[in-house]
Amino acid sequence: AQSVTQLGSHVSVSEGALVLLRCNYSSSVPPYLFWYVQYPNQGLQLLLKYTSAATLVKGINGFEAEFKKSETSFHLTKPSAHMSDAAEYFCAVSERGGANSKLTFGKGITLSVRP
Amino acid sequence: NAGVMQNPRHLVRRRGQEARLRCSPMKGHSHVYWYRQLPEEGLKFMVYLQKENIIDESGMPKERFSAEFPKEGPSILRIQQVVRGDSAAYFCASSPPLRASQETQYFGPGTRLLVL
Repeated sequence: AQSVTQLGSHVSVSEGALVLLRCNYSSSVPPYLFWYVQYPNQGLQLLLKYTSAATLVKGINGFEAEFKKSETSFHLTKPSAHMSDAAEYFCAVSERGGANSKLTFGKGITLSVRP
Repeated sequence: NAGVMQNPRHLVRRRGQEARLRCSPMKGHSHVYWYRQLPEEGLKFMVYLQKENIIDESGMPKERFSAEFPKEGPSILRIQQVVRGDSAAYFCASSPPLRASQETQYFGPGTRLLVL
C-alpha cells in the first residue's frame, strides 16, 4: 500500500522568497513520485516526476524536487516565488513495476504569494 | 495535439437522477484513469481502463457507479441515482500504452458535479 503525506494545507510566501513544499511518502516497493499543480477550476498539470534516474529532478517553471530515500521525502522547491505560482500543489506516488500507474495523491497544499 | 477533453465541464443534477461524464483521451493514449476530488481533499483513484477492458476498479464505490471505455468513442463514468455526497470534481487522465507504471498521466480539466 502507498500513501503520501503533505503536512499543512496552506503555505504563504513573499514574492521572491524561497518556496518549500513538503512531501513524504510511504511505499512497500520503490516508488515513482510526481508533483502536480492545479490552478483554480482547472485540471492538474505535471510539474516534475522522479522515475529512478537522477535524484534531483528539475521541472517546469523553475521548480525542482529531490528524492531522498532515507527520509522517504520528495520536497518541492523554487528559489524565488512569483505571483503566478499561487495555486494548489499535489504530491503523488505510483508503484514502480506495477501493472498500472494509478496515482495516490496527498491532500494538497495551497501556495499563496504575497506582493 | 489536443489534450484530454472532458465534458460537460459543469453538471447539475437533482437527487435520484443519472450523471454521465465523458472523457476523450489524448491522441494515441489507450489508458484512461478516473479520479474524484472531494472538497478539501486530494484526488482519489476510482478506476483504470484500457479499450474495452476494466483493469482496476478498486477505487469505485460498489453501487451506482460504473465506467466503460468502448472501442470507439470516449470513456464514460456513469453515476446512477445521484446523492448529495456525489458532488465533487471528477478528473480523467490518460497515458500512453508503454511501461505503464512510470508513464505520465495527463489530466483533463475535470467535470464539476453538483447534486441538488
